[in-house]
Amino acid sequence: GAGVSQSPSNKVTEKGKDVELRCDPISGHTALYWYRQRLGQGLEFLIYFQGNSAPDKSGLPSDRFSAERTGESVSTLTIQRTQQEDSAVYLCASSSTGFLTEAFFGQGTRLTVV
Amino acid sequence: AQRVTQPEKLLSVFKGAPVELKCNYSYSGSPELFWYVQYSRQRLQLLLRHISRESIKGFTADLNKGETSFHLKKPFAQEEDSAMYYCALSGYGGSQGNLIFGKGTKLSVKP
Repeated sequence: GAGVSQSPSNKVTEKGKDVELRCDPISGHTALYWYRQRLGQGLEFLIYFQGNSAPDKSGLPSDRFSAERTGESVSTLTIQRTQQEDSAVYLCASSSTGFLTEAFFGQGTRLTVV
Repeated sequence: AQRVTQPEKLLSVFKGAPVELKCNYSYSGSPELFWYVQYSRQRLQLLLRHISRESIKGFTADLNKGETSFHLKKPFAQEEDSAMYYCALSGYGGSQGNLIFGKGTKLSVKP
């Protein structure tokens, strides 16, 4: 595709349910990042994938959050037992160089937990 | 602790007026500073970085290590500049997700 694609664009879920967010990076981009932005807050780093290396999970806020990526393809971010504080825009970005400053961001998924 | 502060949530100016979006940072080493922009219904994208010392779309930003600031400036604002602007800091060259973002400032340029 022409850019980073995220789906769904909007998701409303009930507290306690699990959700899966999807990111399709730009073809050939080895680096993939997940960020989130809660209302009124800055962008928070969640997780970083670089090729076949072990992902940097240091930003995941709790063990309810997990993310997977197979090779250099699609990534899914899973949030289990969602809480209202999980409501945020979840942004994915991919880069061919491994530098976030040279990454392309998706449009984001707006998650609302009610 | 590493921190980026953008004190203004909203900045409203008239077309043709000068604009300055403030950014202050806290970092013990030698950081790299960046400005990102997100136009309405578009994706977040890199606007400029301090090491390039470039002017993009008429915007410039100078790193002031004494004041730990990296304010974004433009002498004559245009309506198409209306967007969300995020200041970001990296101590690792912007790699590995180690960018720390401020909360953002919404710039509104009125006709």
